[in-house]
Order: sequence, then C-alpha cells, then structure tokens
Amino acid sequence: QQQVKQSPQSLIVQKGGISIINCAYENTAFDYFPWYQQFPGKGPALLIAIRPDVSEKKEGRFTISFNKSAKQFSLHIMDSQPGDSATYFCAASGVFGSARQLTFGSGTQLTVLP
Amino acid sequence: DGGITQSPKYLFRKEGQNVTLSCEQNLNHDAMYWYRQDPGQGLRLIYYSQIVNDFQKGDIAEGYSVSREKKESFPLTVTSAQKNPTAFYLCASSPSGGQMNTEAFFGQGTRLTVV
Repeated sequence: QQQVKQSPQSLIVQKGGISIINCAYENTAFDYFPWYQQFPGKGPALLIAIRPDVSEKKEGRFTISFNKSAKQFSLHIMDSQPGDSATYFCAASGVFGSARQLTFGSGTQLTVLP
Repeated sequence: DGGITQSPKYLFRKEGQNVTLSCEQNLNHDAMYWYRQDPGQGLRLIYYSQIVNDFQKGDIAEGYSVSREKKESFPLTVTSAQKNPTAFYLCASSPSGGQMNTEAFFGQGTRLTVV
C-alpha cells in the first residue's frame, strides 16, 4: 500500500529537549523520504530528506534516522527551540504506474515550550 | 522571485456553486500537484499532472476537476459534487515527476469555506 503512518499526532517538548517523530511505510517502491515543516496558514517547506541507501542524515539540529529493514524512519530535532513549533510531515516518494507520487503522513503538531 | 502562487488566499463558496482555485508557477517545473489538507489527516492528493495537457486522478479526485493547458498553470475546480469542500488546498510543483530526489515546492494555500 502507499500509506505512510506517522506518530505521535502531537508532541510537547521543553526548550532544549529532543523532539522525535516516527514514520513507517509498507511499500518498498518508495525510494525517497523527505520531511516537511509547516507553519500555520502556510504551505509546507522541505526540511530534510534521505534516500534508503543511507541510514542517517544530519543537517544542523535536524537528523533523519532510516531503518530500511524495518521500513521505518524518524526525525530528531536536537536542542528544540520555540521557533521549531510547527506541524511536521513525513513523506515517501516513489514511482507508481508511470508517475512519481509523494505520499504524506498525517502530521505531528510540535509545540516547544519556552 | 521564483515560486508558486496560489489565489485567492481565502475563498467562500455557496452550496451548489463551482469555484476555481488558481495555481501558477514560474519555476519551469514539469510536474504539478493539488493536495487537500484537513485537520489530523495530513495531505491527500487530489490530482497531479506530469506534463501539459495530461493529468491523473489522485486518491480523492471525486468532485474535483483540473486542466493543464499551460506548463505554468494548474487550476483546480471544486464542483458542486464535492460534498465536503471546506478545507485548506495546497498546490505543489516539482522539476520532474519521474526523478528521485526532486523536491516538491508548495504554494501558500487557499482556504475554502462553504457558507
């Protein structure tokens, strides 16, 4: 199936803490896994992405961990800041039929307390 | 500035009316997409287009229609057949639908409300 399951639905973290969001997929046709960040009333923007031949990718305070055998990937936000408060979507991209499609998880609303 | 422009930002529709949401991009991207966002349900694909004059249904195409007469434009019409159209609609584009590692760029969205 083309579903991507994301948890938790909401997350509250103290400033300086670590935020962890998890995603899982079933279809092995997915070959690219981006994370998007969305602020209220705005469109999502690409945060960080990973390919399945890599187990971890780090960009600043944001790290993706990827477990190909378990079909799971997660986003870790180190030293979480109030400005990180947003909705985060994991996504999986793959070619189905003749077209590439991007399937999103249901989103995680992150609140970082000052 | 390059990007995706959606208009209007807010739209109100009466019962039984058709409305059209505009999406224009000047990124020279081949692929364009329409998503619907409801609280707690993430983004669901309505329609997508890989090339001019061609488009495909996504997961929730019923009650919607699109056209792709120009590379830079991909308007979405919400018809009266869509029974629950109140939602946040997002348009996106990417350089090529077939390539891996291609980032999807999103517009700022249109919030449609049925009154």
